[in-house]
Amino acid sequence: DAKTTQPPSMDCAEGRAANLPCNHSTISGNEYVYWYRQIHSQGPQYIIHGLKNNETNEMASLIITEDRKSSTLILPHATLRDTAVYYCIVRVIWGGSQGNLIFGKGTKLSVKP
Amino acid sequence: GAVVSQHPSWVICKSGTSVKIECRSLDFQATTMFWYRQFPKQSLMLMATSNEGSKATYEQGVEKDKFLINHASLTLSTLTVTSAHPEDSSFYICSAGGGGARVNYGYTFGSGTRLTVV
Repeated sequence: DAKTTQPPSMDCAEGRAANLPCNHSTISGNEYVYWYRQIHSQGPQYIIHGLKNNETNEMASLIITEDRKSSTLILPHATLRDTAVYYCIVRVIWGGSQGNLIFGKGTKLSVKP
Repeated sequence: GAVVSQHPSWVICKSGTSVKIECRSLDFQATTMFWYRQFPKQSLMLMATSNEGSKATYEQGVEKDKFLINHASLTLSTLTVTSAHPEDSSFYICSAGGGGARVNYGYTFGSGTRLTVV
């Protein structure tokens, strides 16, 4: 079972920031938080990941609470092409090994003009 | 970098026939590959995990004799749906991950294969 909970859907106006929350209250010390998105009928696309520090890349920012029990993905200036299902996933990494990805139901983000 | 090619993108087959789906990592060596299935309006469900040169590990409820997985090289994994039935119609997606420095960057997904069994 997925170890995260997300709202099923969200709307965002084009050009505004989209803030997508995720709860992972049972996360353990060696689990990272990953975000992927899936545009209709395509494979998921990696967005960003983090352990405990906030992260930023060209696509998004990831804010992780100090207790690591929740996080927020921020798309700073949403466009219509950001309309997709966004998945928050916790994944184990230890040494050179990696855990698999278990997808929950995700959040369907609709960016509106 | 980190491109995964999945082929075919869609296929229609007759009930009772077998269909093979290929997943290739184009610019890295994939030590681990995963196969997912996705029904309409549902999330991705992990079917199996394969490591190069060893047998695949199937998730509970997935028939290993029906969904044959081969990961004979570090760049190619195949999923064969044997004796396909209409209820096998779904969107099949592979993902691949490398070792070493690539471990932290998650997995790269193929574009998916839409299988329709008639």
